[in-house]
Amino acid sequence: QSALTQPASVSGSPGQSITISCTGTSGDVGGYNYVSWYKQHPGKAPKLMIYAVGDRPSGVSNRFSGSKSGNTASLTISGLRAEDEADYYCSSYTRFSTVVFGGGTKLTVL
Amino acid sequence: DVQLVESGGGLVQPGRSLRLSCAASGFTFDEYAMHWVRQAPGKGLEWVSGISWNSGSLSYADSVKGRFTMSRDNARDSVYLQMNSLRKEDTAVYYCARVRDSSLWYDGLDYWGQGTLVTVSS
Repeated sequence: QSALTQPASVSGSPGQSITISCTGTSGDVGGYNYVSWYKQHPGKAPKLMIYAVGDRPSGVSNRFSGSKSGNTASLTISGLRAEDEADYYCSSYTRFSTVVFGGGTKLTVL
Repeated sequence: DVQLVESGGGLVQPGRSLRLSCAASGFTFDEYAMHWVRQAPGKGLEWVSGISWNSGSLSYADSVKGRFTMSRDNARDSVYLQMNSLRKEDTAVYYCARVRDSSLWYDGLDYWGQGTLVTVSS
């Protein structure tokens, strides 16, 4: 099972919007609505930001949104803030009844 | 509050075994699927294994299949990861995590432990 494909890095200025893509196949991202996104600071446990493609857990800012088109899912962060700087990972359920993560994207707030 | 506490990590020689434990509290443990996710130093997240609430659905990543065994004891509110034939590439922080929706095997992991470091080295 190959990892989902994410850009290694993205950046944006405070107040701007950024989008992180996550590309898989019809056997994972494209075939199921079980795509989730995680935020992780170095040395810390990941935090769930988006589940079921576009739903937010309680307590997660509505500046975070998720979507999917075909085999590619996307995480959009609007009104970028300094505290958004972190690593972001997508994940998906797969047709093999396993879970696959993306390689991770480092978000830099300029 | 939901808490997940991993233990059992440490330094182990290649080819040897190690058993990780994850103690859960603050929720009805026997209603939720649980997963193990690892992160090698400086690398990304890698899913390792997942188990349904009743152990009826159990799955592994190809990288650990045949060497690792995940199990759970609902009476002890705990999950375990038995790791055999360890390799240097198994060196990582191992996290246990809870699935968000108790009716599903996976739809996202909403609670994570602090992680336990496994170092495989001679």
